[in-house]
Amino acid sequence: EVRLLESGGGLVQPGGSLRLSCTASGFNFRNFDMNWVRQAPGKGLEWVSVISNTGAIIHYSDSVEGRFTISRDNSKDTLYLQMHSLRAEDTAVYYCTKREGSSLFDMWGQGTMVTVSS
Amino acid sequence: QSALTQPPSASGSPGQSVTISCTGTSSDIGANNYVSWYQQHPGKAPKVMIYEVSKRPSGVPERFSGSKSGNTASLTVSGLQAEDEADYYCSSYGGGNNWGVFGGGTKLTVL
Repeated sequence: EVRLLESGGGLVQPGGSLRLSCTASGFNFRNFDMNWVRQAPGKGLEWVSVISNTGAIIHYSDSVEGRFTISRDNSKDTLYLQMHSLRAEDTAVYYCTKREGSSLFDMWGQGTMVTVSS
Repeated sequence: QSALTQPPSASGSPGQSVTISCTGTSSDIGANNYVSWYQQHPGKAPKVMIYEVSKRPSGVPERFSGSKSGNTASLTVSGLQAEDEADYYCSSYGGGNNWGVFGGGTKLTVL
């Protein structure tokens, strides 16, 4: 069964840091581009970042560039999102998603909640 | 403000058809066929219903169809069923720091 499992969410103070992980199973992780997408409480979906299958190509949304870093360890089938200088507006459920060719967000994990509050 | 524009709500009675629009620009929807639609039930992760404008993943009912004209994509749900009541989001490839862009979402109510 193809599965994505996020972890690492929690409560953090403004200005703090947090690292999210996404462990993949059921498919050859190293062959697929991966994304992080977030959803603030009661709001819509927002693309955060993408990393190519080798890690050579990375893009960020303007709202997180310079504060967040996406990375992957293909030997561990794991995707990461290192988040620094967190703000209240970063509060959201963070989803790990897998790209399948022309389907940019083909498979989604169950999400992990990040709350930025003092 | 979302990059793609969707109506906030749509509704229809069981058995009817409903179409949800998604308007972008010549830099995203109008520039490629990487348009997808997602269904999200409350408290659940989104699920892809349509990709590459009009393709249905395995397991998605034929009642769901997609199309595109210029900078606007559309999702049509035919033969509405109660379980179709959910939020629907469109997405497109936008390139660079707009690599992935989403619509603001449409809440579909089955009356």
